[in-house]
Amino acid sequence: DGGITQSPKYLFRKEGQNVTLSCEQNLNHDAMYWYRQDPGQGLRLIYYSQIVNDFQKGDIAEGYSVSREKKESFPLTVTSAQKNPTAFYLCASSIPRGRARTGELFFGEGSRLTVL
Amino acid sequence: QQQVKQSPQSLIVQKGGIPIINCAYENTAFDYFPWYQQFPGKGPALLIAIRPDVSEKKEGRFTISFNKSAKQFSLHIMDSQPGDSATYFCAASVSSGTYKYIFGTGTRLKVLA
Repeated sequence: DGGITQSPKYLFRKEGQNVTLSCEQNLNHDAMYWYRQDPGQGLRLIYYSQIVNDFQKGDIAEGYSVSREKKESFPLTVTSAQKNPTAFYLCASSIPRGRARTGELFFGEGSRLTVL
Repeated sequence: QQQVKQSPQSLIVQKGGIPIINCAYENTAFDYFPWYQQFPGKGPALLIAIRPDVSEKKEGRFTISFNKSAKQFSLHIMDSQPGDSATYFCAASVSSGTYKYIFGTGTRLKVLA
């Protein structure tokens, strides 16, 4: 079955530690995204990538880093510079919008990060 | 100008009721307006979407109403069921340029049996 796999589902981190969240997709989508979800704040874009070896900052990129070395993979590193990292992180992918394509976002099941 | 404002924050209805969730936007360049449904502990999934060249779209029990002049759109759930209890997000995007979506803050819906 095609889809997006995020791991781990739950992660605990001590303050000052970097952690990396994995995101793998087998949908053959060009674009991939990382969103952060906090209660009452909706989904906020951290980083996105339209093609391999290229990515752009979203609205809340500070304290995060990404890489896109393969089309299928878009890992997110939450660094110690992120002041409030406890959140639910969602990875998504899409194909480009076009005449017959909506550019629908397909989401993984998320990773919940808790900083102790 | 990039915001999408969503209301209400939460909503409780009886089974069979018609919950309505509203969204408003400022950026007239937005040309695609999807709604996503999210169950607890899961990622959001596309529910229904509309483009600004139509005023209404129905898919099953879900209807989007779109008012281009008012820059508002809303989701109506007909004959709501307890299984519809979820968080609903509206969103907006621009077809040209980046692939970015702007999401509303979400509405937590509970349908009582």
